[in-house]
Amino acid sequence: EAGVTQSPTHLIKTRGQQATLRCSPISGHTSVYWYQQALGLGLQFLLWYDEGEERNRGNFPPRFSGRQFPNYSSELNVNALELEDSALYLCASSPLGYEQYFGPGTRLTVT
Amino acid sequence: GQQVMQIPQYQHVQEGEDFTTYCNSSTTLSNIQWYKQRPGGHPVFLIQLVKSGEVKKQKRLTFQFGEAKKNSSLHITATQTTDVGTYFCATMDSSYKLIFGSGTRLLVRP
Repeated sequence: EAGVTQSPTHLIKTRGQQATLRCSPISGHTSVYWYQQALGLGLQFLLWYDEGEERNRGNFPPRFSGRQFPNYSSELNVNALELEDSALYLCASSPLGYEQYFGPGTRLTVT
Repeated sequence: GQQVMQIPQYQHVQEGEDFTTYCNSSTTLSNIQWYKQRPGGHPVFLIQLVKSGEVKKQKRLTFQFGEAKKNSSLHITATQTTDVGTYFCATMDSSYKLIFGSGTRLLVRP
């Protein structure tokens, strides 16, 4: 069974630009979660999508947004990038209410 | 909102020594999950506990959920270098949001 995949692996952007990160969940999982993990820190919940709808979002500004497509893959968009947005962005998929399976992450660097 | 506090932040042990990380909450938890993140890797699910006083074992790892469901622990017996990583506890709230503890980073001296 294929795991959660994320692309790109690394992304380098300059301040003020926009970043788009992509995630494909495990087949059969309808829920996709996004987390931000700043260097050496814990995981901060960003967004949760299920069945194509945003179900919950963490304490992040509106410039963090995303969507989920009919095939349950998901996209995270970060507008007006700031230096402190540099982090590992992790996507996880889950059968609703159960454990989460994480992808390898996208390392975003903002210069 | 719900929070889980995790201690210690770091633990440096000699290979063969035991290791324990603790997770605490001021409110009753409906469940606790444990994840391991290897250096440079992503979190990997280890186990979920849901019952008061529950104890589960996976080889050298022992997981406990407190009687009051406000705390949990992960104990590793006779650590090995392969145990190196950060261990996170997490709880899923009523809105299916997973709330993570800050993690305990385990370093093992060979």
